[in-house]
Amino acid sequence: GEDVEQSLFLSVREGDSSVINCTYTDSSSTYLYWYKQEPGAGLQLLTYIFSNMDMKQDQRLTVLLNKKDKHLSLRIADTQTGDSAIYFCAEIPPSSGGSYIPTFGRGTSLIVHP
Amino acid sequence: NAGVTQTPKFQVLKTGQSMTLQCAQDMNHEYMSWYRQDPGMGLRLIHYSVGAGITDQGEVPNGYNVSRSTTEDFPLRLLSAAPSQTSVYFCASSYAGDFGEQYFGPGTRLTVT
Repeated sequence: GEDVEQSLFLSVREGDSSVINCTYTDSSSTYLYWYKQEPGAGLQLLTYIFSNMDMKQDQRLTVLLNKKDKHLSLRIADTQTGDSAIYFCAEIPPSSGGSYIPTFGRGTSLIVHP
Repeated sequence: NAGVTQTPKFQVLKTGQSMTLQCAQDMNHEYMSWYRQDPGMGLRLIHYSVGAGITDQGEVPNGYNVSRSTTEDFPLRLLSAAPSQTSVYFCASSYAGDFGEQYFGPGTRLTVT
């Protein structure tokens, strides 16, 4: 299957910006997503971007998409301790056979230090 | 709306036992999925359903069965539990036209001894 790659850990100081990176493999993916998982909970959709966009901003969140390099990033401005969680990148590759089930990366654990 | 509910929250099984993990959603979503989450492995799709009466295999279906007799319910059956099935299991649902916006349940933590 297709692999969505993410680094496993990111540690930042409270108030700094966090940048979580993701590399996806299917350049024809039309939807790319970021999910957040807080401890002991299920995943929750944070934001998404369509492949015809380069950037999307939603309050403290900025998503950047580089289609040429198949690179997706999530920037969290003014990171707070409540942002500590695991962040998953996901794509819906057209090669999923019409099922449109997302493929998830392994997740990046964001640790925010006071 | 209760969203996606899963029962039980925790379960311990002995090798060879069978059990059913329950999942229900009250949002009239067409799509439902089961994932397992293991440390360092992320989420792996077990089975999914695109509507009542229709199911298909995901990435890691062996040892699991599913059925979808109603839109609301999507139970996952472990036929003969093995220690390799120790994991956290998540059920998710979405509208057919909004494939990536999945709603996840709180998870079931399963330990097989």
